[in-house]
Amino acid sequence: QVQLQESGPGLVKPSETLSLTCGVSGYSISSGYYWGWIRQPPGKGLEWIGSIYHTGNTFYNPSLKSRVTISVDTSKNQFSLNLNSVTSADTAVYYCARLLGGPVGGLLRSFFDLWGQGTLVTVSS
Amino acid sequence: EIVMTQSPGTLSVFPGERATLSCRASQSVSSNLAWYQQRPGQAPRLLIFGASSRATGIPARFSGSGSGTEFTLTISSLQSEDFAVYYCQQYNNWLSFGQGTKVEIK
Repeated sequence: QVQLQESGPGLVKPSETLSLTCGVSGYSISSGYYWGWIRQPPGKGLEWIGSIYHTGNTFYNPSLKSRVTISVDTSKNQFSLNLNSVTSADTAVYYCARLLGGPVGGLLRSFFDLWGQGTLVTVSS
Repeated sequence: EIVMTQSPGTLSVFPGERATLSCRASQSVSSNLAWYQQRPGQAPRLLIFGASSRATGIPARFSGSGSGTEFTLTISSLQSEDFAVYYCQQYNNWLSFGQGTKVEIK
């Protein structure tokens, strides 16, 4: 079965870059689907960060777009998140997920059918 | 940005009873709406997509309805494992989530 697993540092200093990777097993990213990142601050709701296709085509949440880069490495069957200039407001559980659906008229129309277990990233000095 | 508003914030229900959760969009999202369940310490799980289609493996006691700006998730007879937080998500204009409804045991 398809499984997603987040990995990366659990602690990042303010103003630095948060970097996470999502490894996918049981399915080749090159075969299709969009893949994405969602975050959840402690005790709060969910926020979509951005999504990527195996070709490298990306969609980002407009509110985070200036600080976010999502990339894909099909040879390693994984995709990655970089979020720069972090502050304490970026402290959250970060999830990677698979999306069903895709672009329509320049917009991403997708929902999330498979999720990783999530990883807590704390921004603190 | 489309703002999704869920109500109530917390719903207290006896096991075996029906639960009705609401989700309102700030503008029409057609039927491009999904519902998720999140149990404590776990990742969200897809329940419903297309406003009313159950995801694979989701029990029939979960049903979704609505279109445009008003949506409902109904759990016909609450089981112990259904006590959780539920989120709606629109995917008509980018992707955005509601703030969640917590379903707790009464």
